[in-house]
Amino acid sequence: EDQVTQSPEALRLQEGESSSLNCSYTVSGLRGLFWYRQDPGKGPEFLFTLYSAGEEKEKERLKATLTKKESFLHITAPKPEDSATYLCAVQANNYGQNFVFGPGTRLSVLP
Amino acid sequence: GAVVSQHPSRVICKSGTSVKIECRSLDFQATTMFWYRQFPKQSLMLMATSNEGSKATYEQGVEKDKFLINHASLTLSTLTVTSAHPEDSSFYICSARGGGMLTGELFFGEGSRLTVL
Repeated sequence: EDQVTQSPEALRLQEGESSSLNCSYTVSGLRGLFWYRQDPGKGPEFLFTLYSAGEEKEKERLKATLTKKESFLHITAPKPEDSATYLCAVQANNYGQNFVFGPGTRLSVLP
Repeated sequence: GAVVSQHPSRVICKSGTSVKIECRSLDFQATTMFWYRQFPKQSLMLMATSNEGSKATYEQGVEKDKFLINHASLTLSTLTVTSAHPEDSSFYICSARGGGMLTGELFFGEGSRLTVL
């Protein structure tokens, strides 16, 4: 069965303490893996798209990587404004145009 | 990035009334839009796929007669919650694919918080 999981469920970091969030997937025919940031009471904000294993994308303090089974979102020297829920989503051959979202990781960065 | 606008952001209604939520792609044409529902501290649950000029495709377990979707133009999709009840209270989010390609990114509206009294 196709699945998208994320870990940890919640993460608390001190400002400046780097860490990584994980998104694991088991799908047939991955077409794309997407990372989003969601603030409370807001819609998700697009961060990255990764299409093939070995691909990396960077934006400010965030770096996303992709392997054949998982993706990591690395956060370097986070700031309190990085606090949010980070969602990964997968588009695969079995889903048509739909995306399947993971449950998300709630990140809190303490000053 | 592409901009998707959703309105209203918050709505409170009485039980039994109907509520319409609009989703607009402001700077691109979206042949396909998606409607999601999100419960507190949970991820997005796809409700239906809205296709311009044709009937929406609903996910299993979603009542098509309760959640009416209309995608009358390439920039507007609407979700109408009919005869709303307190259990319909939730956060509804729409999205549209940028570029119209199967691997294009999804861009989301700001969401609509529905509270049914």
